[in-house]
Amino acid sequence: GAGVSQSPSNKVTEKGKDVELRCDPISGHTALYWYRQRLGQGLEFLIYFQGNSAPDKSGLPSDRFSAERTGESVSTLTIQRTQQEDSAVYLCASSPLTSSDTQYFGPGTRLTVL
Amino acid sequence: EDQVTQSPEALRLQEGESSSLNCSYTVSGLRGLFWYRQDPGKGPEFLFTLYSAGEEKEKERLKATLTKKESFLHITAPKPEDSATYLCAVGILTGGGNKLTFGTGTQLKVEL
Repeated sequence: GAGVSQSPSNKVTEKGKDVELRCDPISGHTALYWYRQRLGQGLEFLIYFQGNSAPDKSGLPSDRFSAERTGESVSTLTIQRTQQEDSAVYLCASSPLTSSDTQYFGPGTRLTVL
Repeated sequence: EDQVTQSPEALRLQEGESSSLNCSYTVSGLRGLFWYRQDPGKGPEFLFTLYSAGEEKEKERLKATLTKKESFLHITAPKPEDSATYLCAVGILTGGGNKLTFGTGTQLKVEL
């Protein structure tokens, strides 16, 4: 079956612009996670959605970062007024309710802020 | 503070030369130890989940083991296609969900 998909695969933007990244989870997966992977660093948790519950936003690095998810479908991660330190690969993962511990990752969006 | 440390950072093996990758962790409330494989330009690919000390899981040339403080990923008779970065992560007990804390990975290169 189809895995997690993310778009765009690459995004180059200028400092100060807003960007929107999209994640399509595996169908039927109730949990969705966003992570950030900076060069040479481990993946960092950003935000977690589970069904209609309030999201866990504890990993968002600043108020320039926000994310939305409608029900159990797609999610968008928005970064406002991008800075050069936002350059990274942004990864989305989803997991099913029946095996809620294992997360399946998408290919990521590589964001470059000039 | 929850921490995950992987060693070595990089490993170069000859085809058929078995070895082990280490993942040591300190975490309050472990909810699973995860191994992923990541190829360049791609997202992490799930390999194993371990939940309790003494547990072992195998898949082809890979075997993962878990103790109370560390996990090992044993690679037996590796092939060039096993070349990748191997990531270890721990799941943290929270009110809901399973936030993963990742190590920085071991970059494995298997040569002919």
